[in-house]
Amino acid sequence: LAKTTQPISMDSYEGQEVNITCSHNNIATNDYITWYQQFPSQGPRFIIQGYKTKVTNEVASLFIPADRKSSTLSLPRVSLSDTAVYYCLVGDFNTDKLIFGTGTRLQVFP
Amino acid sequence: DARVTQTPRDKVTEMGQEVTMRCQPILGHNTVFWYRQTMMQGLELLAYFRNRAPLDDSGMPKDRFSAEMPDATLATLKIQPSEPRDSAVYFCASEGGRGELFFGEGSRLTVL
Repeated sequence: LAKTTQPISMDSYEGQEVNITCSHNNIATNDYITWYQQFPSQGPRFIIQGYKTKVTNEVASLFIPADRKSSTLSLPRVSLSDTAVYYCLVGDFNTDKLIFGTGTRLQVFP
Repeated sequence: DARVTQTPRDKVTEMGQEVTMRCQPILGHNTVFWYRQTMMQGLELLAYFRNRAPLDDSGMPKDRFSAEMPDATLATLKIQPSEPRDSAVYFCASEGGRGELFFGEGSRLTVL
């Protein structure tokens, strides 16, 4: 199972782009990288998933370098409502138990 | 709108009592996970099932916790006897083969 390392916390201001990087040095060939967002008193919610290069959806982009040993979640123009904990999850969802790391607590200020 | 349903949402009980939490996964999802979340430990994986078969429950205290899937629409997590250190939010999540976990709203357990 690939262990993940993320910053414990990050601060930003409304309107800025936020990049959260996750390290996963021992990622395996069949592992995917998935990011979740969690608000207080709610379960985590899927944001984006990728295997390599770049993936973009309506809320975020995910950048994965060629060696796949890290990944960066990019949130464009954050708002106060993006204040949450963001988790990077690495694993083969077909075979692995999916273990969450400590997550990154993002605080967005006005 | 498909979603994972958990009951109860909140449970307050006394030490030594039995607690059962229930989860209805999204129809068609064949993998179900139980997680526990506390401020100190974060999100811990307790157990998970695929096609109703338990694949791993190494995260659970075996002497007091048990997890089952009596059918494809119901997963249960039982604690007997409960202890104050079991106080946490328990989340159920289901996954339908594309790697996206869908979480329920959680069951907040307080053991006095």
